[in-house]
Amino acid sequence: GEDVEQSLFLSVREGDSSVINCTYTDSSSTYLYWYKQEPGAGLQLLTYIFSNMDMKQDQRLTVLLNKKDKHLSLRIADTQTGDSAIYFCAETHINSGYALNFGKGTSLLVTP
Amino acid sequence: KAGVTQTPRYLIKTRGQQVTLSCSPISGHRSVSWYQQTPGQGLQFLFEYFSETQRNKGNFPGRFSGRQFSNSRSEMNVSTLELGDSALYLCASSWDGHTEAFFGQGTRLTVV
Repeated sequence: GEDVEQSLFLSVREGDSSVINCTYTDSSSTYLYWYKQEPGAGLQLLTYIFSNMDMKQDQRLTVLLNKKDKHLSLRIADTQTGDSAIYFCAETHINSGYALNFGKGTSLLVTP
Repeated sequence: KAGVTQTPRYLIKTRGQQVTLSCSPISGHRSVSWYQQTPGQGLQFLFEYFSETQRNKGNFPGRFSGRQFSNSRSEMNVSTLELGDSALYLCASSWDGHTEAFFGQGTRLTVV
Protein backbone atom coordinates (compact mmCIF):
# COMPACT_ATOMS: atom_id res chain seq x y z
CA GLY A 1 0.00 0.00 0.00
CA GLU A 2 0.92 3.65 0.04
CA ASP A 3 3.44 4.81 2.64
CA VAL A 4 2.86 6.65 5.87
CA GLU A 5 6.11 7.88 7.38
CA GLN A 6 6.86 9.08 10.89
CA SER A 7 10.03 9.85 12.76
CA LEU A 8 10.74 7.09 15.26
CA PHE A 9 11.56 8.98 18.40
CA LEU A 10 10.88 12.31 20.11
CA SER A 11 11.97 13.50 23.54
CA VAL A 12 10.57 16.60 25.25
CA ARG A 13 10.63 18.18 28.68
CA GLU A 14 7.51 18.17 30.81
CA GLY A 15 5.51 21.35 30.23
CA ASP A 16 6.87 21.91 26.73
CA SER A 17 4.88 21.39 23.55
CA SER A 18 5.40 18.24 21.49
CA VAL A 19 5.01 18.13 17.75
CA ILE A 20 4.80 14.75 16.05
CA ASN A 21 4.99 14.75 12.28
CA CYS A 22 3.68 12.39 9.64
CA THR A 23 3.85 12.32 5.86
CA TYR A 24 1.73 10.22 3.55
CA THR A 25 1.84 9.54 -0.14
CA ASP A 26 -1.75 8.76 -1.12
CA SER A 27 -3.42 11.89 -2.40
CA SER A 28 -6.83 10.25 -2.13
CA SER A 29 -6.63 9.92 1.65
CA THR A 30 -10.00 10.68 3.15
CA TYR A 31 -9.47 10.66 6.90
CA LEU A 32 -6.25 11.00 8.86
CA TYR A 33 -5.98 9.78 12.41
CA TRP A 34 -3.78 9.94 15.45
CA TYR A 35 -3.73 7.00 17.82
CA LYS A 36 -1.84 6.56 21.09
CA GLN A 37 -0.52 3.25 22.38
CA GLU A 38 0.80 2.75 25.89
CA PRO A 39 2.87 -0.33 26.82
CA GLY A 40 0.84 -3.51 26.80
CA ALA A 41 -2.30 -1.72 25.67
CA GLY A 42 -4.40 -1.35 22.55
CA LEU A 43 -4.72 1.77 20.45
CA GLN A 44 -6.50 4.80 21.82
CA LEU A 45 -8.09 7.11 19.26
CA LEU A 46 -6.91 10.64 20.02
CA THR A 47 -8.34 12.62 17.15
CA TYR A 48 -8.93 12.57 13.43
CA ILE A 49 -9.31 15.07 10.64
CA PHE A 50 -11.18 14.93 7.39
CA SER A 51 -9.05 15.63 4.35
CA ASN A 52 -10.87 18.84 3.46
CA MET A 53 -9.95 20.41 6.79
CA ASP A 54 -6.75 22.28 7.62
CA MET A 55 -6.83 22.20 11.38
CA LYS A 56 -8.64 20.65 14.28
CA GLN A 57 -8.22 21.48 17.94
CA ASP A 58 -9.33 19.36 20.86
CA GLN A 59 -8.21 20.55 24.31
CA ARG A 60 -4.41 20.10 24.41
CA LEU A 61 -4.29 18.52 20.95
CA THR A 62 -3.98 20.41 17.68
CA VAL A 63 -3.91 18.63 14.35
CA LEU A 64 -2.60 20.44 11.28
CA LEU A 65 -3.03 19.08 7.77
CA ASN A 66 -1.15 20.36 4.74
CA LYS A 67 -2.80 18.48 1.94
CA LYS A 68 -0.56 19.97 -0.73
CA ASP A 69 2.56 18.62 0.99
CA LYS A 70 0.75 15.53 2.34
CA HIS A 71 1.92 16.43 5.82
CA LEU A 72 0.06 15.88 9.07
CA SER A 73 1.17 16.98 12.50
CA LEU A 74 -0.04 16.50 16.06
CA ARG A 75 0.82 19.15 18.61
CA ILE A 76 0.42 18.33 22.29
CA ALA A 77 0.43 21.42 24.47
CA ASP A 78 1.82 21.34 28.02
CA THR A 79 3.13 17.80 27.59
CA GLN A 80 2.95 15.63 30.72
CA THR A 81 4.82 12.47 31.69
CA GLY A 82 1.56 10.58 31.17
CA ASP A 83 1.77 11.49 27.50
CA SER A 84 4.79 9.22 27.09
CA ALA A 85 3.65 6.56 24.61
CA ILE A 86 3.85 5.58 20.97
CA TYR A 87 1.83 7.75 18.62
CA PHE A 88 0.59 6.36 15.33
CA CYS A 89 -0.50 8.31 12.33
CA ALA A 90 -2.96 6.53 10.03
CA GLU A 91 -4.85 7.31 6.87
CA THR A 92 -7.82 5.78 5.11
CA HIS A 93 -9.29 6.20 1.67
CA ILE A 94 -12.12 4.75 -0.30
CA ASN A 95 -9.75 2.87 -2.64
CA SER A 96 -8.58 0.69 0.24
CA GLY A 97 -12.06 0.14 1.60
CA TYR A 98 -11.26 2.51 4.44
CA ALA A 99 -8.75 0.12 6.00
CA LEU A 100 -6.41 2.02 8.30
CA ASN A 101 -2.91 2.36 6.87
CA PHE A 102 -0.55 3.06 9.76
CA GLY A 103 2.85 4.59 10.09
CA LYS A 104 5.48 2.80 12.20
CA GLY A 105 4.79 5.04 15.18
CA THR A 106 6.67 7.78 17.01
CA SER A 107 7.86 6.99 20.51
CA LEU A 108 7.38 10.09 22.68
CA LEU A 109 9.41 10.32 25.88
CA VAL A 110 8.50 13.10 28.29
CA THR A 111 11.15 13.81 30.91
CA PRO A 112 10.55 15.70 34.18
CA LYS B 1 -20.80 2.60 27.37
CA ALA B 2 -18.58 -0.45 27.21
CA GLY B 3 -15.60 -0.37 24.88
CA VAL B 4 -14.32 -3.01 22.52
CA THR B 5 -13.66 -6.28 24.32
CA GLN B 6 -11.20 -8.85 23.09
CA THR B 7 -10.76 -12.30 24.55
CA PRO B 8 -8.55 -13.88 25.56
CA ARG B 9 -5.88 -11.30 26.40
CA TYR B 10 -3.01 -13.80 26.13
CA LEU B 11 -2.57 -17.08 24.33
CA ILE B 12 0.29 -19.50 23.92
CA LYS B 13 -0.02 -22.04 21.14
CA THR B 14 2.21 -24.60 19.48
CA ARG B 15 3.19 -24.54 15.82
CA GLY B 16 0.64 -26.32 13.68
CA GLN B 17 -2.26 -25.68 16.03
CA GLN B 18 -5.14 -23.38 15.29
CA VAL B 19 -6.52 -20.51 17.34
CA THR B 20 -9.72 -18.50 17.57
CA LEU B 21 -9.82 -14.96 18.88
CA SER B 22 -12.97 -13.10 19.82
CA CYS B 23 -14.02 -9.47 19.61
CA SER B 24 -17.15 -7.79 20.94
CA PRO B 25 -17.62 -4.35 19.41
CA ILE B 26 -19.09 -1.25 20.98
CA SER B 27 -22.85 -1.54 21.19
CA GLY B 28 -24.44 -0.27 17.98
CA HIS B 29 -21.29 -0.60 15.89
CA ARG B 30 -21.71 -2.86 12.89
CA SER B 31 -18.17 -2.83 11.51
CA VAL B 32 -15.37 -4.91 13.00
CA SER B 33 -11.82 -4.84 11.64
CA TRP B 34 -8.82 -6.91 12.62
CA TYR B 35 -5.17 -5.85 12.62
CA GLN B 36 -1.93 -7.64 13.33
CA GLN B 37 0.83 -5.76 15.14
CA THR B 38 4.42 -7.02 15.11
CA PRO B 39 7.70 -5.21 15.84
CA GLY B 40 8.95 -5.81 12.33
CA GLN B 41 5.89 -5.13 10.18
CA GLY B 42 4.02 -2.73 12.44
CA LEU B 43 0.23 -2.60 12.18
CA GLN B 44 -1.24 -4.46 9.25
CA PHE B 45 -4.86 -4.78 8.21
CA LEU B 46 -6.29 -8.29 8.14
CA PHE B 47 -9.98 -7.93 7.25
CA GLU B 48 -13.17 -6.03 7.92
CA TYR B 49 -16.68 -7.29 8.50
CA PHE B 50 -19.88 -5.32 8.27
CA SER B 51 -23.29 -6.83 8.97
CA GLU B 52 -21.88 -10.37 8.81
CA THR B 53 -20.19 -9.83 5.43
CA GLN B 54 -16.49 -9.53 4.76
CA ARG B 55 -16.12 -6.25 2.93
CA ASN B 56 -12.39 -5.92 2.77
CA LYS B 57 -9.35 -8.14 3.13
CA GLY B 58 -5.68 -7.42 3.59
CA ASN B 59 -2.73 -9.26 2.16
CA PHE B 60 -2.59 -12.29 4.45
CA PRO B 61 -2.60 -15.99 3.59
CA GLY B 62 -5.79 -18.02 3.64
CA ARG B 63 -4.82 -19.46 7.03
CA PHE B 64 -6.24 -16.26 8.44
CA SER B 65 -10.01 -16.15 8.38
CA GLY B 66 -12.82 -14.49 10.22
CA ARG B 67 -16.51 -14.20 10.62
CA GLN B 68 -19.09 -11.93 12.15
CA PHE B 69 -22.27 -12.89 13.91
CA SER B 70 -25.68 -11.26 13.83
CA ASN B 71 -24.94 -9.44 17.10
CA SER B 72 -21.81 -7.93 15.42
CA ARG B 73 -19.41 -9.96 17.54
CA SER B 74 -16.53 -11.21 15.46
CA GLU B 75 -14.04 -14.03 15.59
CA MET B 76 -10.83 -14.53 13.72
CA ASN B 77 -9.20 -17.89 13.21
CA VAL B 78 -5.64 -18.75 12.35
CA SER B 79 -4.99 -22.31 11.27
CA THR B 80 -1.69 -24.18 11.07
CA LEU B 81 0.09 -21.66 13.26
CA GLU B 82 3.61 -20.58 12.40
CA LEU B 83 6.19 -18.92 14.63
CA GLY B 84 5.78 -15.75 12.59
CA ASP B 85 2.13 -15.50 13.60
CA SER B 86 3.24 -14.41 17.06
CA ALA B 87 1.82 -10.91 17.39
CA LEU B 88 -0.65 -8.62 19.07
CA TYR B 89 -3.99 -8.99 17.31
CA LEU B 90 -6.16 -5.91 17.57
CA CYS B 91 -9.82 -5.57 16.84
CA ALA B 92 -11.46 -2.25 16.00
CA SER B 93 -15.11 -1.37 15.91
CA SER B 94 -16.78 1.42 14.03
CA TRP B 95 -20.30 2.51 13.27
CA ASP B 96 -19.89 2.25 9.54
CA GLY B 97 -16.30 1.21 8.90
CA HIS B 98 -15.52 4.59 7.39
CA THR B 99 -14.90 6.89 10.32
CA GLU B 100 -13.81 6.63 13.93
CA ALA B 101 -12.47 3.20 14.75
CA PHE B 102 -12.09 2.24 18.39
CA PHE B 103 -9.67 -0.48 19.34
CA GLY B 104 -9.74 -3.18 21.96
CA GLN B 105 -6.83 -4.08 24.23
CA GLY B 106 -5.71 -6.81 21.89
CA THR B 107 -4.90 -10.48 22.18
CA ARG B 108 -1.23 -11.31 22.56
CA LEU B 109 -0.59 -14.57 20.69
CA THR B 110 2.68 -16.41 21.18
CA VAL B 111 3.44 -19.39 18.98
CA VAL B 112 6.14 -21.74 20.28
